[in-house]
Amino acid sequence: AQSVTQPDIHITVSEGASLELRCNYSYGATPYLFWYVQSPGQGLQLLLKYFSGDTLVQGIKGFEAEFKRSQSSFNLRKPSVHWSDAAEYFCACSNDYKLSFGAGTTVTVRA
Amino acid sequence: EAGVTQSPTHLIKTRGQQATLRCSPISGHTSVYWYQQALGLGLQFLLWYDEGEERNRGNFPPRFSGRQFPNYSSELNVNALELEDSALYLCASSLVGFGNTIYFGEGSWLTVV
Repeated sequence: AQSVTQPDIHITVSEGASLELRCNYSYGATPYLFWYVQSPGQGLQLLLKYFSGDTLVQGIKGFEAEFKRSQSSFNLRKPSVHWSDAAEYFCACSNDYKLSFGAGTTVTVRA
Repeated sequence: EAGVTQSPTHLIKTRGQQATLRCSPISGHTSVYWYQQALGLGLQFLLWYDEGEERNRGNFPPRFSGRQFPNYSSELNVNALELEDSALYLCASSLVGFGNTIYFGEGSWLTVV
């Protein structure tokens, strides 16, 4: 069975600093991978997705993610964080026509 | 173009009652998914409907049920509500097909008292 692991429950970062959120997946074949963001009390917004091809994927809001098959990872990065990036971030893997989510990483941005 | 819409935004029910949540998918999407996001339990897959049929079901008891209508909108019904059913219920939609992007609505907050 597939699974998604987000090792960091909570990350605090200063505004303007870089951010990296880790995601590891366990899946037999090349997965379809996604990153979603959830602001407090709201639904999930798609940041980016990886299906195939270029392993560095660009998304919205200045985010990017890199697929590394050898490490079974799909880490999310942003070079310079804004206060509005404070939210919960979910990595997800698509299999069997549904998404399996990681537990999420809460990002706090300090001034 | 409208995204996935859900109603009601908030719902308060008493233990033992039934709750009905509604979802309208993005135009052209035939697949509808329901997820439960309970505090401390993360996002749990509930149900997947496509073309009016239930295609997959998560590890939830039978009192969680739903249906999909000919216009592809969907209802989630939760019978015999329990306190632990209190959660954010997220509906999502996609084009049918493996790996298609799934888009989420804003969710319906269900509180059971």
